[in-house]
Amino acid sequence: AQKVTQAQTEISVVEKEDVTLDCVYETRDTTYYLFWYKQPPSGELVFLIRRNSFDEQNEISGRYSWNFQKSTSSFNFTITASQVVDSAVYFCALKLLILTGGGNKLTFGTGTQLKVEL
Amino acid sequence: NAGVMQNPRHLVRRRGQEARLRCSPMKGHSHVYWYRQLPEEGLKFMVYLQKENIIDESGMPKERFSAEFPKEGPSILRIQQVVRGDSAAYFCASSPRRDSGEQYFGPGTRLTVT
Repeated sequence: AQKVTQAQTEISVVEKEDVTLDCVYETRDTTYYLFWYKQPPSGELVFLIRRNSFDEQNEISGRYSWNFQKSTSSFNFTITASQVVDSAVYFCALKLLILTGGGNKLTFGTGTQLKVEL
Repeated sequence: NAGVMQNPRHLVRRRGQEARLRCSPMKGHSHVYWYRQLPEEGLKFMVYLQKENIIDESGMPKERFSAEFPKEGPSILRIQQVVRGDSAAYFCASSPRRDSGEQYFGPGTRLTVT
């Protein structure tokens, strides 16, 4: 069975600080997708990134960057120069590439509440 | 191109009543997934449906919960005889194919049982 662990329940930072959200996953499968979603106070889920297990290249998108390391089963998310609007709950998720059985569901971590203060 | 639609956005039910949650997938998507988010928790998979078929219901509670995705119309998640513990946000997601990597989420329905 798959498992996603986000050990940081809550993080508070001051605006303009950099912050890294940790995500560790467990799966016996070798092919899978990893995701990050943002859930702002309004409650909807906002897709941030998808990464497949074949691609360990790190990615940068504006102030956001992701560090995928298969050796440590981690997919960490860094926000550079954080802003108050970044305050939200961030979820990491895993989806297997297999098409049978449980291959189509997303397995979510419990989320990290990020609070960015002025 | 409308995204995934869910209605109602907020639903209040008294204990013992039935709750019906609707999900209209994105245009061209025939695969629907339901997830439940209990207060202060992450999302948990409930059920995966394709048109007229339940593919995986491994996350569905054995009693009181059912789901359908008819040939015409939205997918329905039905909760009979609701209890306080059913209070949660229910999210629907859709994808165009079974092997599609991404699932597109709706805004969720917040169910409150009083």
